[in-house]
Amino acid sequence: DSGVTQTPKHLITATGQRVTLRCSPRSGDLSVYWYQQSLDQGLQFLIQYYNGEERAKGNILERFSAQQFPDLHSELNLSSLELGDSALYFCASSVDRGGEETQYFGPGTRLLVL
Amino acid sequence: AQSVTQLDSHVSVSEGTPVLLRCNYSSSYSPSLFWYVQHPNKGLQLLLKYTSAATLVKGINGFEAEFKKSETSFHLTKPSAHMSDAAEYFCVVIRTYKYIFGTGTRLKVLA
Repeated sequence: DSGVTQTPKHLITATGQRVTLRCSPRSGDLSVYWYQQSLDQGLQFLIQYYNGEERAKGNILERFSAQQFPDLHSELNLSSLELGDSALYFCASSVDRGGEETQYFGPGTRLLVL
Repeated sequence: AQSVTQLDSHVSVSEGTPVLLRCNYSSSYSPSLFWYVQHPNKGLQLLLKYTSAATLVKGINGFEAEFKKSETSFHLTKPSAHMSDAAEYFCVVIRTYKYIFGTGTRLKVLA
């Protein structure tokens, strides 16, 4: 158990809908990262927040957004969902700003868009 | 730009035989490299990391990896495979503070 929690574990929704994925980092970790894992794209970095501020951006679609709250938990919002958004979404956390730090991964949220 | 290539998408070994999972990196300088493991329906777990301290890095569960600059490789090895090692393994390099994942190698362990 990494200490990173993600809810829900599974999510089934329809195209065009909006969902929110939640992540709680390990106690004391200030950075939260979001990743998408799909069969065709592999594991891709989406976005990083550090202590409430966006720090780095990856291949995140404009339909997706994230935020980190004062208690350091983070939410990833996915809107206008398409079939291709079906994937496993991971959250990870690290102690500081990132770089060479180890990231600790949550168990993921499996999203299925029908 | 830094990237990693995992040369085998699938590897099968018999229980008790050595494991070799190959990873080559592309970087203009000495990179930080990681190996993560993903068991079915689980998150990713760090096996080991290289950050230019020692070229032979020992990780958890008997895994180790050797950083070879001349070959730009960071292959993951284990002397004797266990059934519980069956999983997907990812080589990771850091690029501008971001994790860049390889495409993964699925390890199958045969009884």
